[in-house]
Amino acid sequence: AQSVAQPEDQVNVAEGNPLTVKCTYSVSGNPYLFWYVQYPNRGLQFLLKYITGDNLVKGSYGFEAEFNKSQTSFHLKKPSALVSDSALYFCAVRMNYGGSQGNLIFGKGTKLSVKP
Amino acid sequence: DADVTQTPRNRITKTGKRIMLECSQTKGHDRMYWYRQDPGLGLRLIYYSFDVKDINKGEISDGYSVSRQAQAKFSLSLESAIPNQTALYFCATSDMTSWPDTQYFGPGTRLTVL
Repeated sequence: AQSVAQPEDQVNVAEGNPLTVKCTYSVSGNPYLFWYVQYPNRGLQFLLKYITGDNLVKGSYGFEAEFNKSQTSFHLKKPSALVSDSALYFCAVRMNYGGSQGNLIFGKGTKLSVKP
Repeated sequence: DADVTQTPRNRITKTGKRIMLECSQTKGHDRMYWYRQDPGLGLRLIYYSFDVKDINKGEISDGYSVSRQAQAKFSLSLESAIPNQTALYFCATSDMTSWPDTQYFGPGTRLTVL
């Protein structure tokens, strides 16, 4: 069965420091991987996705994510955190199948707190 | 995403009441989804629809039903609400012509069942 793990419930970072939000996945076959962000009282916003090719994916708001097939990870990164990056971050995986097997499976979310 | 709207945004109801949550989209997408979000559990899929005539159960469909009235509208109903259905509900849409399709979410409906 497909699954996604976000091992940290919360990540605390000082403004200006690099940030990493971790995600690991368990699937059979080649996955598509996504990151979404949820600001308070808002819906989820798409940040970036990995399809194939270059392992480093660049997305919105200066975020990027690194796909590592051997470690089955897709960690979200940003070189310099902003206080406005404070939000809830979700990793999601889907298989390259159609139908129900192509649905998104979400991790439980990681709360990112960036302090001034 | 302003192209995906949900009504109401907040709703308080009592156990046993029937309630409908509505979702509309102007993105022209054919696929629509309903999720619920609970603290510490992430998002879980309730129902999804790949077109007007195609409705499918998701991971946690028990106690819920849906109606796809048009390509742009997808409603979620709780026939007899119970307190453990208190949650944040999200509608999402995606375009099957863009693979892997990215889902775009509405602002959510906060439902409280007393």
